[in-house]
Amino acid sequence: GAGVSQSPRYKVAKRGQDVALRCDPISGHVSLFWYQQALGQGPEFLTYFQNEAQLDKSGLPSDRFFAERPEGSVSTLKIQRTQQEDSAVYLCASSLLPRETQYFGPGTRLLVL
Amino acid sequence: QKEVEQNSGPLSVPEGAIASLNCTYSDRVSQSFFWYRQYSGKSPELIMSIYSNGDKEDGRFTAQLNKASQYVSLLIRDSQPSDSATYLCAVNRETARQLTFGSGTQLTVLP
Repeated sequence: GAGVSQSPRYKVAKRGQDVALRCDPISGHVSLFWYQQALGQGPEFLTYFQNEAQLDKSGLPSDRFFAERPEGSVSTLKIQRTQQEDSAVYLCASSLLPRETQYFGPGTRLLVL
Repeated sequence: QKEVEQNSGPLSVPEGAIASLNCTYSDRVSQSFFWYRQYSGKSPELIMSIYSNGDKEDGRFTAQLNKASQYVSLLIRDSQPSDSATYLCAVNRETARQLTFGSGTQLTVLP
């Protein structure tokens, strides 16, 4: 079956631009996670949704980061006024139920110039 | 101290050898433990999960968990060049649903 998909796969933004990253989880998966992965590091948690409810956003680095999942399926991570330190790979993962295996999408590689 | 620590490597082993990857974690009440493989430029792919003390084997892979020592390892037997990747250790703490990852160990299997 189809896995987690993300778009765009690559995004180049000028500093100060707003960007929106999309995640399509595996159909029927309740839990959806966003992670940020810097070069040479492991993924770092950003935020978690259970259906449409954002239950944990403790990992969002600043108020420039905003995520939503309005209908409990597709999720969008928005970064306002991008900064160079936002350059990273943004990974989306979903799991059928909380605490079950997380399956990762291919990621969006964001480069802020 | 980082919550999940791994030797960053790089670790090089000859083809056919056993590769041993190690991970320690700081939160004693962690419940679930995972090993993900990540090829360069790709997303993490689950290799093994382990929840209770002892060994768990799946093909050429064996995960070992020792909760008393807060230590989890991954053994890869008969290593192949296609095993060359970064291996990420991840922990699911009791109080959180997200995974906490180590920084990964880069493994190279030399033909």
